Amino acid sequence: GENVEQHPSTLSVQEGDSAVIKCTYSDSASNYFPWYKQELGKRPQLIIDIRSNVGEKKDQRIAVTLNKTAKHFSLHITETQPEDSAVYFCAAEWGSNYKLTFGKGTLLTVNP
Amino acid sequence: EAGVTQFPSHSVIEKGQTVTLRCDPISGHDNLYWYRRVMGKEIKFLLHFVKESKQDESGMPNNRFLAERTGGTYSTLKVQPAELEDSGVYFCATERGGTDTQYFGPGTRLTVL
Repeated sequence: GENVEQHPSTLSVQEGDSAVIKCTYSDSASNYFPWYKQELGKRPQLIIDIRSNVGEKKDQRIAVTLNKTAKHFSLHITETQPEDSAVYFCAAEWGSNYKLTFGKGTLLTVNP
Repeated sequence: EAGVTQFPSHSVIEKGQTVTLRCDPISGHDNLYWYRRVMGKEIKFLLHFVKESKQDESGMPNNRFLAERTGGTYSTLKVQPAELEDSGVYFCATERGGTDTQYFGPGTRLTVL
Protein backbone atom coordinates (compact mmCIF):
# COMPACT_ATOMS: atom_id res chain seq x y z
CA GLY A 1 0.00 0.00 0.00
CA GLU A 2 0.87 3.67 0.00
CA ASN A 3 2.84 5.38 2.78
CA VAL A 4 3.08 9.15 3.11
CA GLU A 5 5.64 10.90 5.30
CA GLN A 6 5.14 14.58 6.15
CA HIS A 7 7.62 17.07 7.64
CA PRO A 8 7.83 19.07 9.76
CA SER A 9 5.20 18.17 12.34
CA THR A 10 5.16 21.76 13.63
CA LEU A 11 6.20 24.97 11.94
CA SER A 12 6.21 28.46 13.39
CA VAL A 13 6.82 31.50 11.18
CA GLN A 14 6.51 35.24 11.42
CA GLU A 15 3.74 36.96 9.50
CA GLY A 16 4.95 37.75 6.00
CA ASP A 17 7.48 34.93 5.89
CA SER A 18 7.17 31.85 3.68
CA ALA A 19 6.30 28.38 4.89
CA VAL A 20 7.20 25.08 3.23
CA ILE A 21 5.82 21.66 4.11
CA LYS A 22 7.25 18.54 2.49
CA CYS A 23 5.81 15.10 1.85
CA THR A 24 7.18 11.91 0.39
CA TYR A 25 5.20 8.92 -0.86
CA SER A 26 6.07 5.33 -1.57
CA ASP A 27 3.79 4.09 -4.36
CA SER A 28 4.95 5.25 -7.78
CA ALA A 29 1.46 4.51 -9.13
CA SER A 30 -0.04 7.39 -7.12
CA ASN A 31 -1.10 10.17 -9.43
CA TYR A 32 -3.14 12.68 -7.45
CA PHE A 33 -1.87 14.69 -4.50
CA PRO A 34 -4.22 17.01 -2.58
CA TRP A 35 -3.44 19.31 0.33
CA TYR A 36 -6.00 19.94 3.03
CA LYS A 37 -6.12 22.69 5.63
CA GLN A 38 -7.90 22.04 8.91
CA GLU A 39 -8.58 24.93 11.24
CA LEU A 40 -9.34 24.15 14.85
CA GLY A 41 -12.73 22.49 15.20
CA LYS A 42 -13.49 22.66 11.48
CA ARG A 43 -13.50 20.21 8.62
CA PRO A 44 -10.48 19.56 6.41
CA GLN A 45 -10.71 21.86 3.40
CA LEU A 46 -9.00 21.20 0.09
CA ILE A 47 -6.70 24.13 -0.65
CA ILE A 48 -4.77 22.93 -3.67
CA ASP A 49 -4.05 19.71 -5.51
CA ILE A 50 -1.73 18.47 -8.23
CA ARG A 51 -1.81 15.60 -10.66
CA SER A 52 1.17 13.58 -11.76
CA ASN A 53 1.36 15.08 -15.24
CA VAL A 54 2.14 18.51 -13.78
CA GLY A 55 5.27 19.63 -11.94
CA GLU A 56 3.94 22.77 -10.29
CA LYS A 57 0.64 24.49 -9.62
CA LYS A 58 0.01 27.88 -8.11
CA ASP A 59 -3.04 29.60 -6.66
CA GLN A 60 -2.37 33.09 -5.34
CA ARG A 61 -0.11 32.70 -2.27
CA ILE A 62 -0.18 28.90 -2.35
CA ALA A 63 1.84 26.63 -4.63
CA VAL A 64 2.52 22.93 -4.81
CA THR A 65 5.46 21.25 -6.51
CA LEU A 66 5.75 17.60 -7.44
CA ASN A 67 8.85 15.55 -8.23
CA LYS A 68 7.65 12.17 -9.46
CA THR A 69 11.12 10.76 -9.85
CA ALA A 70 11.97 11.45 -6.24
CA LYS A 71 8.41 10.78 -5.09
CA HIS A 72 8.01 13.95 -3.12
CA PHE A 73 5.75 16.98 -3.21
CA SER A 74 5.74 20.21 -1.28
CA LEU A 75 3.37 22.98 -0.25
CA HIS A 76 4.64 26.54 -0.37
CA ILE A 77 2.80 29.41 1.28
CA THR A 78 4.17 32.90 0.67
CA GLU A 79 3.43 36.10 2.59
CA THR A 80 1.90 34.13 5.43
CA GLN A 81 -0.93 35.65 7.46
CA PRO A 82 -2.27 34.74 10.92
CA GLU A 83 -5.33 33.17 9.29
CA ASP A 84 -3.03 30.66 7.61
CA SER A 85 -2.51 29.10 11.06
CA ALA A 86 -3.97 25.57 10.93
CA VAL A 87 -3.03 21.92 10.52
CA TYR A 88 -2.07 21.06 6.96
CA PHE A 89 -2.34 17.51 5.62
CA CYS A 90 -0.81 16.17 2.46
CA ALA A 91 -2.26 13.08 0.83
CA ALA A 92 -1.68 10.71 -2.04
CA GLU A 93 -4.42 8.95 -3.95
CA TRP A 94 -3.74 5.39 -4.93
CA GLY A 95 -5.44 2.18 -5.86
CA SER A 96 -8.42 1.63 -8.10
CA ASN A 97 -10.80 3.13 -5.55
CA TYR A 98 -9.06 6.50 -5.24
CA LYS A 99 -8.68 6.32 -1.50
CA LEU A 100 -6.39 8.85 0.11
CA THR A 101 -3.40 8.09 2.27
CA PHE A 102 -2.54 11.05 4.50
CA GLY A 103 0.55 12.37 6.14
CA LYS A 104 0.45 12.99 9.88
CA GLY A 105 -0.14 16.70 9.48
CA THR A 106 1.81 19.89 10.10
CA LEU A 107 0.68 22.43 12.67
CA LEU A 108 1.51 25.81 11.16
CA THR A 109 1.51 28.82 13.45
CA VAL A 110 1.86 32.28 11.94
CA ASN A 111 2.87 34.82 14.57
CA PRO A 112 1.69 38.39 14.02
CA GLU B 1 -24.59 23.63 -2.59
CA ALA B 2 -24.81 22.13 0.90
CA GLY B 3 -21.67 20.45 2.15
CA VAL B 4 -21.16 17.02 3.63
CA THR B 5 -22.87 16.78 7.00
CA GLN B 6 -22.21 14.39 9.86
CA PHE B 7 -24.16 13.58 12.98
CA PRO B 8 -23.55 13.68 15.87
CA SER B 9 -20.67 16.13 16.19
CA HIS B 10 -19.60 14.54 19.46
CA SER B 11 -20.41 11.26 21.16
CA VAL B 12 -19.25 10.04 24.54
CA ILE B 13 -20.05 6.42 25.37
CA GLU B 14 -18.98 3.72 27.77
CA LYS B 15 -16.88 0.79 26.65
CA GLY B 16 -19.17 -1.98 25.43
CA GLN B 17 -21.93 0.33 24.23
CA THR B 18 -23.03 0.84 20.65
CA VAL B 19 -22.76 4.04 18.65
CA THR B 20 -23.99 4.88 15.16
CA LEU B 21 -22.48 7.71 13.16
CA ARG B 22 -24.23 9.22 10.18
CA CYS B 23 -22.96 10.95 7.07
CA ASP B 24 -25.07 12.82 4.51
CA PRO B 25 -23.19 13.39 1.27
CA ILE B 26 -23.36 16.27 -1.16
CA SER B 27 -26.25 15.59 -3.49
CA GLY B 28 -25.15 13.62 -6.53
CA HIS B 29 -21.91 12.37 -5.01
CA ASP B 30 -21.83 8.65 -5.63
CA ASN B 31 -18.49 8.04 -3.94
CA LEU B 32 -18.48 8.10 -0.16
CA TYR B 33 -15.46 7.43 2.05
CA TRP B 34 -15.06 6.98 5.79
CA TYR B 35 -11.80 7.96 7.47
CA ARG B 36 -10.67 8.08 11.08
CA ARG B 37 -8.08 10.15 12.89
CA VAL B 38 -6.83 8.85 16.20
CA MET B 39 -5.31 11.62 18.34
CA GLY B 40 -1.93 12.76 17.07
CA LYS B 41 -1.88 10.38 14.15
CA GLU B 42 -2.72 10.55 10.48
CA ILE B 43 -6.17 10.42 8.96
CA LYS B 44 -6.67 6.78 7.95
CA PHE B 45 -8.95 5.28 5.33
CA LEU B 46 -11.68 2.94 6.57
CA LEU B 47 -13.89 2.15 3.60
CA HIS B 48 -15.35 3.31 0.31
CA PHE B 49 -18.86 3.13 -1.15
CA VAL B 50 -19.93 3.67 -4.70
CA LYS B 51 -23.62 4.35 -4.40
CA GLU B 52 -24.87 1.56 -2.14
CA SER B 53 -22.04 -0.88 -2.89
CA LYS B 54 -18.96 -1.33 -0.72
CA GLN B 55 -15.95 -1.08 -3.00
CA ASP B 56 -13.17 -1.35 -0.49
CA GLU B 57 -13.33 -2.25 3.19
CA SER B 58 -9.64 -2.85 3.64
CA GLY B 59 -9.27 -0.13 6.28
CA MET B 60 -11.97 -1.36 8.65
CA PRO B 61 -10.21 -2.28 11.91
CA ASN B 62 -12.30 -5.34 12.78
CA ASN B 63 -15.79 -6.82 12.67
CA ARG B 64 -17.05 -4.52 15.42
CA PHE B 65 -17.42 -1.88 12.70
CA LEU B 66 -20.33 -2.04 10.27
CA ALA B 67 -20.97 0.50 7.53
CA GLU B 68 -24.05 0.77 5.41
CA ARG B 69 -25.34 3.01 2.67
CA THR B 70 -28.86 1.91 1.92
CA GLY B 71 -30.27 3.48 -1.21
CA GLY B 72 -26.96 5.05 -2.03
CA THR B 73 -27.67 8.25 -0.15
CA TYR B 74 -26.62 8.72 3.47
CA SER B 75 -24.28 6.30 5.18
CA THR B 76 -24.04 5.00 8.73
CA LEU B 77 -21.07 3.59 10.58
CA LYS B 78 -21.91 1.50 13.62
CA VAL B 79 -19.44 0.46 16.27
CA GLN B 80 -20.62 -2.45 18.42
CA PRO B 81 -19.35 -3.01 21.04
CA ALA B 82 -17.15 0.06 21.36
CA GLU B 83 -13.64 -0.28 22.80
CA LEU B 84 -11.31 2.38 24.22
CA GLU B 85 -9.10 2.33 21.12
CA ASP B 86 -12.06 3.32 18.94
CA SER B 87 -11.85 6.88 20.27
CA GLY B 88 -11.00 9.41 17.60
CA VAL B 89 -12.54 11.67 14.98
CA TYR B 90 -14.48 9.92 12.24
CA PHE B 91 -14.65 11.80 8.96
CA CYS B 92 -16.84 11.20 5.98
CA ALA B 93 -15.81 12.48 2.56
CA THR B 94 -17.68 12.38 -0.72
CA GLU B 95 -16.70 12.75 -4.36
CA ARG B 96 -18.85 13.23 -7.40
CA GLY B 97 -17.11 10.69 -9.58
CA GLY B 98 -14.38 11.37 -12.10
CA THR B 99 -13.04 14.43 -10.32
CA ASP B 100 -10.73 13.04 -7.59
CA THR B 101 -11.76 15.88 -5.28
CA GLN B 102 -13.04 14.63 -1.95
CA TYR B 103 -15.09 16.98 0.22
CA PHE B 104 -14.93 16.32 3.92
CA GLY B 105 -17.60 16.54 6.55
CA PRO B 106 -16.91 18.19 9.92
CA GLY B 107 -16.31 14.85 11.60
CA THR B 108 -17.74 13.08 14.62
CA ARG B 109 -15.54 13.07 17.71
CA LEU B 110 -16.06 9.73 19.45
CA THR B 111 -14.86 9.24 23.00
CA VAL B 112 -15.08 5.79 24.54
CA LEU B 113 -14.66 5.75 28.33
